[in-house]
Amino acid sequence: AQSVTQLDSHVSVSEGTPVLLRCNYSSSYSPSLFWYVQHPNKGLQLLLKYTSAATLVKGINGFEAEFKKSETSFHLTKPSAHMSDAAEYFCVVSDQVNDYKLSFGAGTTVTVRA
Amino acid sequence: KAGVTQTPRYLIKTRGQQVTLSCSPISGHRSVSWYQQTPGQGLQFLFEYFSETQRNKGNFPGRFSGRQFSNSRSEMNVSTLELGDSALYLCASSSAGAGGPDTQYFGPGTRLTVL
Repeated sequence: AQSVTQLDSHVSVSEGTPVLLRCNYSSSYSPSLFWYVQHPNKGLQLLLKYTSAATLVKGINGFEAEFKKSETSFHLTKPSAHMSDAAEYFCVVSDQVNDYKLSFGAGTTVTVRA
Repeated sequence: KAGVTQTPRYLIKTRGQQVTLSCSPISGHRSVSWYQQTPGQGLQFLFEYFSETQRNKGNFPGRFSGRQFSNSRSEMNVSTLELGDSALYLCASSSAGAGGPDTQYFGPGTRLTVL
């Protein structure tokens, strides 16, 4: 069965410093991997996705993620945090074996200090 | 293109009642999926509809049901509401083909409170 583990439930960074959100996945088939962001009282917004093309994926708002099959990881990074990055982030996996149903990680809450 | 819309945005119901939530997908998207988000259980998949047929179902009781119309709009219904049904219900649409869903785009959600 597919699953996602987000290694940090909460990350706190200073504005202008790098952000790293860690995600490990389990999938028995070639997975598709996504990062979504959820601001308070909002729906989920797609940041980026990996679907077996380039292993380094660039997304919106300066975020990027690297797919590492050997480590079963898909960590999300941003070189310089902005106050508007404060939100909850979800790492998501889907694959054909599970009929493309999305499996979500528990989420990482990011706070940004001025 | 307009995004995914969900109505209503907020609902308050009492135990035992039933509720219907509505979702309008992005124009051209034929797949609609529903998710329940709670602080304790996180985001959980309810079901997916494609071309008016339920294609996938999560592990929820039969009180949770849905349907999709010919214009791809979808509704989900929860009967005999329980306190534990209080949650944010999210709808997502994708331009799915026969091979399965593509990237899913989410609506703002409907916040259901059961008293």
